[in-house]
This record gives sequence, C-alpha cells and structure tokens, in this order.
Amino acid sequence: GQQLNQSPQSMFIQEGEDVSMNCTSSSIFNTWLWYKQEPGEGPVLLIALYKAGELTSNGRLTAQFGITRKDSFLNISASIPSDVGIYFCAGQLTGTYKYIFGTGTRLKVLA
Amino acid sequence: ETGVTQTPRHLVMGMTNKKSLKCEQHLGHNAMYWYKQSAKKPLELMFVYNFKEQTENNSVPSRFSPECPNSSHLFLHLHTLQPEDSALYLCASSQRQGGGTGELFFGEGSRLTVL
Repeated sequence: GQQLNQSPQSMFIQEGEDVSMNCTSSSIFNTWLWYKQEPGEGPVLLIALYKAGELTSNGRLTAQFGITRKDSFLNISASIPSDVGIYFCAGQLTGTYKYIFGTGTRLKVLA
Repeated sequence: ETGVTQTPRHLVMGMTNKKSLKCEQHLGHNAMYWYKQSAKKPLELMFVYNFKEQTENNSVPSRFSPECPNSSHLFLHLHTLQPEDSALYLCASSQRQGGGTGELFFGEGSRLTVL
C-alpha cells in the first residue's frame, strides 16, 4: 500500500539552529499537513498546504508542497527548547478522503 | 473548550473487561475518525464515519466496535482485548467536502493498557 517516507527519524540540535525534515512518496497528494506531537498529547496541526509549490509559514515554521505533489518539507528556524517533540507529515491521496502519515521525526533541542 | 475531546485519557483493562472510549468534537465537522498509534509505527486508520455512517473499516478486529450516534460523538467499544492492543487511540474530525476532506483535528488521545 501507499506509504510516506519521513526523514530524518530523529535529530539532536543545539538551540538556535535551523531544522529541516521532509516526507516523500511515490503517490500523488492533494493536501499536505504537518503536525507536532508532545508526550502524552495528541498531534497538533501546524501547517496545511493545498497547492503544488505552495510555501506557507507559521511563525518560525515554514513548509512547502513539492512541485511533483509527491513530497513536502518542514523547516524550523532558530530552534528553541519548546520545539522538542515529534513532527509528523500527513498526505491526502488525490481523489480520496484518506490521509496517510509519516513515521515522524523526533526532535531534541539542547540548550 | 478544545475542538476534539477524548475520555478517558488513560485506561487500564484486563483482557476480559468491556470498556468504551468516547470522543466529542465541537468544530461542526461532518466526519470523524479513530486512529491507533503504536510505538515506532505510523498512525493507523481504524474507522471513518461520515454524517454518522461508517464509510471505512480498515480490517479492524471485531473486538473493537465503533459507534457514531451523531456527527459530534464517536465511541469505541472494547471487549476481550489482547496485550498487543495497548496503544494510544486518537480520535479526529474533519469537514468532508467535494472529492476530499479538509484538515484533520485530533483529540488528546486515550492511552490504553491491556494487562
């Protein structure tokens, strides 16, 4: 079945550094969503992307919908300790109402 | 009040127990979902309801029984579960529109432990 490859699996960075993560697939998507999940909580929606090539920001977060519609990336600039958590991508398959999820990128920020 | 609320947040049950998870969405959405989240695996879609009608059952064992009495409430009834069913169960909602659906909003999850 379809799957999303999310990388990296985990990152340890220093406070103030920029972070980049991405999701790729062989399938075509019409929507990309990026979530953050903290321990013991549900995923919280960060950014939604609807068009190929779309670049959207939410504070220090920036995400892009790949031109091929098969990938997306999320950047976090000037990381801070509260950015710690697991970041997930989710793609909605074209012509369906289903989202499939990446395996997550675990981010740790060292002060 | 958060958009999607789940109760209980934590549940411990024996394999012979019967319990239920509850979800309520306050976003006016028309679709609700149950997902299972296990360690080191992507979120697994279990069930989808659209306007109270079940539109997806992702080959979920019959020991999990969903119920959607209206478009704001969703239940997951649990009976004779196995230890491998221990996981975080997440409820989500969205607005179904055209040929797809909008953004998924999740509840905080119910952490289930089966002894």
